[in-house]
Amino acid sequence: GAVVSQHPSRVICKSGTSVKIECRSLDFQATTMFWYRQFPKQSLMLMATSNEGSKATYEQGVEKDKFLINHASLTLSTLTVTSAHPEDSSFYICSGGGGFHTFGSGTRLTVV
Amino acid sequence: DAKTTQPTSMDCAEGRAANLPCNHSTISGNEYVYWYRQIHSQGPQYIIHGLKNNETNEMASLIITEDRKSSTLILPHATLRDTAVYYCIVPTAGGTSYGKLTFGQGTILTVHP
Repeated sequence: GAVVSQHPSRVICKSGTSVKIECRSLDFQATTMFWYRQFPKQSLMLMATSNEGSKATYEQGVEKDKFLINHASLTLSTLTVTSAHPEDSSFYICSGGGGFHTFGSGTRLTVV
Repeated sequence: DAKTTQPTSMDCAEGRAANLPCNHSTISGNEYVYWYRQIHSQGPQYIIHGLKNNETNEMASLIITEDRKSSTLILPHATLRDTAVYYCIVPTAGGTSYGKLTFGQGTILTVHP
């Protein structure tokens, strides 16, 4: 079945630095990928839709200049959290179309 | 996405069937019902989906009422590894599996020995 690989699984960074999260579709081509964020004890919230070869579409309230999304190929989408702050600490999850929304394993970001 | 309502939590004994209900009374005629689950600190996992007929796969069965206003996910023989949050989602028609998904709070299923 479709597999989405997400890296890193965990990252700790200092406040003010940037962190890049990669999401790869391993056995299918994903023209569209989705990025979600999940705070403790809460549900997943869609942040943005990543479109191959074009600009991402951000959900209301998500700062596009802070959460940079690049989808340069049919198998790779990246999310860069710029100038991270402690409130950005969260669980970030990507998903690809590939059938029934195959999800990555998630990235636990901790900003200290 | 059509609104769905699920119980906050449920318990189930290991080896017994787990029946997870979902209400989706505003569902449209061409909208599917999808079920996903999320085990702690992992990404969600697709379980099953259906339109109007009952569906079964290696993971679960999905029973949809005739009026389509509710459905039940059945895990026939629950194991401890089935402890997870279960999400019932009705994506906006036209998006289905390639559109964005709106996650509610889901049902926390706890399977105990």
